[in-house]
Amino acid sequence: QKEVEQNSGPLSVPEGAIASLNCTYSDRVSQSFFWYRQYSGKSPELIMSIYSNGDKEDGRFTAQLNKASQYVSLLIRDSQPSDSATYLCAVQTGFQKLVFGTGTRLLVSP
Amino acid sequence: DGGITQSPKYLFRKEGQNVTLSCEQNLNHDAMYWYRQDPGQGLRLIYYSQIVNDFQKGDIAEGYSVSREKKESFPLTVTSAQKNPTAFYLCASSIDGTEIQETQYFGPGTRLLVL
Repeated sequence: QKEVEQNSGPLSVPEGAIASLNCTYSDRVSQSFFWYRQYSGKSPELIMSIYSNGDKEDGRFTAQLNKASQYVSLLIRDSQPSDSATYLCAVQTGFQKLVFGTGTRLLVSP
Repeated sequence: DGGITQSPKYLFRKEGQNVTLSCEQNLNHDAMYWYRQDPGQGLRLIYYSQIVNDFQKGDIAEGYSVSREKKESFPLTVTSAQKNPTAFYLCASSIDGTEIQETQYFGPGTRLLVL
């Protein structure tokens, strides 16, 4: 079993819709969770971080964490074509130890 | 502007050649990291360093070497022992690598291609 699993997609949503990206992880002691956005050919940029169970909102983005189910998600409201990218889930399993999923490709159509 | 710079943007390696990728940061971060990204795979950790003159192997260190002579700089050498070096190489940094809730920030990356 992979440490961090994401559906590779592509996830296709129309402009203005809610995009829901999911991630599961295997290490129960993980405490920090990050979502990065990566445009084609570019480096990852941080979108959200979440450390506690529940929801964390930042603008159009909401991260949701459920440690009991070992599940973290990212919701993007009012999706825009500029949101089309690959979204990487990263889980911190120890000091300096950040494990990445393979990413979900999101396509937002006008 | 504070940030992480990597050079060159593209690098070509011939068979049997060692090449060095540059990473510099002016964020005053203590911890620095090197990752490799292959198509369809997640980022994999090559080496990391928490302080000057100290560094640790990551998950895929074979065929790579690093140095950390200055806080701002963490160059990565891809040696001839690395048989499949074609990849996108990403340098990252974080405040000090001692906190569980610590964000890593990435440089723009270097794409290495084998001739």
